[in-house]
Amino acid sequence: DIQMTQSPSSLSASVGDRVTITCRASQYISNYLNWYQQRPGKAPKLLIYAISTLQSGVPSRFGGSGSGTDFTLTISSLQPEDFATYYCQQSYSAPRTFGQGTRVEIK
Amino acid sequence: QVQLQESGPGLVKPSQTLSLTCTISGGSITDGAFYWSWVRQPAGRGLEWIGRFYTSGTIDYNPSLKSRVTVSADTSKNQFSLKVTSVTAADTAVYYCARHTVTEGYPFDIWGQGTMVTVSS
Repeated sequence: DIQMTQSPSSLSASVGDRVTITCRASQYISNYLNWYQQRPGKAPKLLIYAISTLQSGVPSRFGGSGSGTDFTLTISSLQPEDFATYYCQQSYSAPRTFGQGTRVEIK
Repeated sequence: QVQLQESGPGLVKPSQTLSLTCTISGGSITDGAFYWSWVRQPAGRGLEWIGRFYTSGTIDYNPSLKSRVTVSADTSKNQFSLKVTSVTAADTAVYYCARHTVTEGYPFDIWGQGTMVTVSS
């Protein structure tokens, strides 16, 4: 299985801050890297697919980058509704696997 | 607009079989542009992909669960189902059904709201 490792596991930030979350795959995954946001008690929501393509309706303050095995999710200016847990996920090979999540909390 | 809705018992006894159904509305399970997956999440923990169905009849499983899991579909009802046998407390989780596209990145683009299943006597 491909292991997905996110860092940090949690972070505290203020509204307006720039936030960066990293995700490392245990092997090459091409562009089969996706990001999800999960608010408490809710289902995950697709934010970004194929490393950097924003899902329809997702605000432009979210951005994705990276290649090969190292990827980044950036929130350019954190908004109150962005406090949530974020997961990366690979679809390069089966079984599909997720990172352990990064919880973004209010500072 | 495609929507997914999970249904099934919220409480299952240890050693018994967990059975869930996902009903698709606004779309078709036979649409070749999508796979239909099950994902679970134990309380306070991360996401685990369980298995998926494709309209060709192809079914894939997570090897970690393969011996206990069956995914199937009823195309006449536009539903797909999950069975997990010999459940233990470790199977207690929120179970989601999700649509898995075959477009770039192959993401899970639509999710059901999730259903909580507790394994307890």
